[in-house]
Amino acid sequence: EVQMVQSGAEVKTPGESLKISCKGSGYIFTNYWIGWVRQMPGRGLEWMGIIFPRDSDTRYSPSFQGHVTISADKSINTAYLQWSSLKASDTAMYYCARGPCGSTTCYFDYWGQGSLVTVSS
Amino acid sequence: EIVMTQSPAILSVSPGERATLSCRASSSVGSYVAWYQQKPGQAPRLLIYAASARATGIPARFSGSGSGTEFTLTISSLQSEDFAVYYCQQYNNWPPITFGPGTKVDIK
Repeated sequence: EVQMVQSGAEVKTPGESLKISCKGSGYIFTNYWIGWVRQMPGRGLEWMGIIFPRDSDTRYSPSFQGHVTISADKSINTAYLQWSSLKASDTAMYYCARGPCGSTTCYFDYWGQGSLVTVSS
Repeated sequence: EIVMTQSPAILSVSPGERATLSCRASSSVGSYVAWYQQKPGQAPRLLIYAASARATGIPARFSGSGSGTEFTLTISSLQSEDFAVYYCQQYNNWPPITFGPGTKVDIK
């Protein structure tokens, strides 16, 4: 059974750093991309970026480039999303999702449960 | 960047009725569209990919159609568990990948 399991909720103050995780199981981790999606409170889905764990090929949405870093450790089947300096506007639910992506396809077939990040002074 | 729009924003439907949700792309995306369902407090779930292919385990009452810039998700006979928010997503010439703003299907 394919599962994407994310790290738990975080409460941080502005300026702090944070790294959240997403562990894939039940499939060959290095054969699929892992995407990250933001959902601000009461809002829709925003694609942040995506990584191919086999070679760490990473692509970012222009809206998030430079604000977050996506990485992966294929030895432990885990992808990461990190911030060096959080802002209150980073408060949101963050989802990881598996992407059976190729040159002409990139949708998300299995999703993590979400990691709620709250940034408040 | 391709912008996805969805209409209506809210669709009120009675159980057992048909629901038709629309998604429009700002330029042609071929058939590279997926649809997701999201219930309150849950992660999104993939329903449809490649505009019309049902994902694993998705009931036959869900169907997708369209190509180019106009896409439709149809729920043939709404069940109580289908009341949710539905998002379309395009992935033509990704990146970037973009989602529509969503359509909320609620009980009439």
